[in-house]
Amino acid sequence: AQKITQTQPGMFVQEKEAVTLDCTYDTSDPSYGLFWYKQPSSGEMIFLIYQGSYDQQNATEGRYSLNFQKARKSANLVISASQLGDSAMYFCAMSPPMNSGYSTLTFGKGTMLLVSP
Amino acid sequence: SQTIHQWPATLVQPVGSPLSLECTVEGTSNPNLYWYRQAAGRGLQLLFYSVGIGQISSEVPQNLSASRPQDRQFILSSKKLLLSDSGFYLCAWNKEARSYNSPLHFGNGTRLTVT
Repeated sequence: AQKITQTQPGMFVQEKEAVTLDCTYDTSDPSYGLFWYKQPSSGEMIFLIYQGSYDQQNATEGRYSLNFQKARKSANLVISASQLGDSAMYFCAMSPPMNSGYSTLTFGKGTMLLVSP
Repeated sequence: SQTIHQWPATLVQPVGSPLSLECTVEGTSNPNLYWYRQAAGRGLQLLFYSVGIGQISSEVPQNLSASRPQDRQFILSSKKLLLSDSGFYLCAWNKEARSYNSPLHFGNGTRLTVT
């Protein structure tokens, strides 16, 4: 069965510093996708970045980059130059198993990031 | 561009009362639609998903039901709310449920408090 693990319940970072949020996964599928979402205190889930299992390069979207280490089954989110508005809950997620039918993403339990001035 | 609308934003209901939460998607056709629940400080739990009108799959047996009366409309209902139904409910959509590169796009959520 698929599993997403986020071991950091909370992280603190100072404004303008970089921070890494950890995510490890477990799957037996050769093809899969990994996603990161941001959930501010207002509640909406915002899609940040995607990494495919066959992508040769790490995904980047503005200040967000994904440190993908396939052999270690990790997909860590790196936020560069943190801003106060980055304070939020961050969720790592994985695509459904290819033989699972019409199921949906598997989510980790999340990491709360707090950015201080 | 595609947008997803979910309402109401907040709701306070007494135990035993009915529930109806609505979600609509604009700018796309035949989306896959999902209802999630998030308890306070917890992760997301998939409740229902739908790949077409009238097609509903339930992930977790519970006091809730879902319906899809139109292509881009997804409704979450209950006949009698329980205290344990309190939580944050999120509607989401994507185009390719079985693809590994199809992200979910979420609505703003409904915060339900059952008193």
